[in-house]
Amino acid sequence: GENVEQHPSTLSVQEGDSAVIKCTYSDSASNYFPWYKQELGKRPQLIIDIRSNVGEKKDQRIAVTLNKTAKHFSLHITETQPEDSAVYFCAASMGGGADGLTFGKGTHLIIQP
Amino acid sequence: GAVVSQHPSWVICKSGTSVKIECRSLDFQATTMFWYRQFPKQSLMLMATSNEGSKATYEQGVEKDKFLINHASLTLSTLTVTSAHPEDSSFYICSARDRAGGNIQYFGAGTRLSVL
Repeated sequence: GENVEQHPSTLSVQEGDSAVIKCTYSDSASNYFPWYKQELGKRPQLIIDIRSNVGEKKDQRIAVTLNKTAKHFSLHITETQPEDSAVYFCAASMGGGADGLTFGKGTHLIIQP
Repeated sequence: GAVVSQHPSWVICKSGTSVKIECRSLDFQATTMFWYRQFPKQSLMLMATSNEGSKATYEQGVEKDKFLINHASLTLSTLTVTSAHPEDSSFYICSARDRAGGNIQYFGAGTRLSVL
C-alpha cells in the first residue's frame, strides 16, 4: 500500500519568515495530494491540494509543489503569522481523491513571535 | 465550505458494550464517507471506506465484525464499535467526500471514545 513520509516532525520559525514542509510518497499511482491543518482539539481543515497533472499551486501565502518523478511534494507558507501555528498533515490518494487518504505523520509548526 | 457533523463528540462506555458514532454531511450528498482513527499526537489512519448502499471496504488489519459500518443514505454513515475493550479507546474521525466538489474530503469534528 501507499506510504507517506513527512518531515520535519516539528518546525519552529520566526513570525514573518517562511516555512517549508516536505513529504514523499511511495505509490506512483497516487494522483491527489491534499494538505490539512489541524489545530488542537479541532477537525482537520483542507488548506490546499494539488493533482498530479499540475506542478505547482498557490493560494495567497500558501503554495504546494509536486515532483512526480521524485514522488515528493512540499508545502510552502510565506510571511508566517501566529495563527499559522498548528499541526499540518500531508496526504496522498489515488483515483483523483476518490479513495481514502494516506496521511503523513504530521508537522507541528510553531510560529515564534 | 461543506459541513460534516459527527456525534457524539465524546463517549465513555463500559467494556463489552457497543457504541454507535454518526457522521452526517449537512449540505452535500456523500456517496462515499471514510472512517479514520487518530491516536494522541499521531496521524490519521484510514480504517474503512463507507459506500452508500453497499458494503464497506476495510483496510488491512481492521476487524469488520468489530467495527460495523452502515451507510444507508447519501448523508449518513454510522460506525458501531461492538463489544468495546479498553484498547479500542481512541479518537475516531469521519470524512465525507464531496464528489461534485472535486472529491475533496471534509472532516467531522471527531469522537473521543473511552472504554473503561
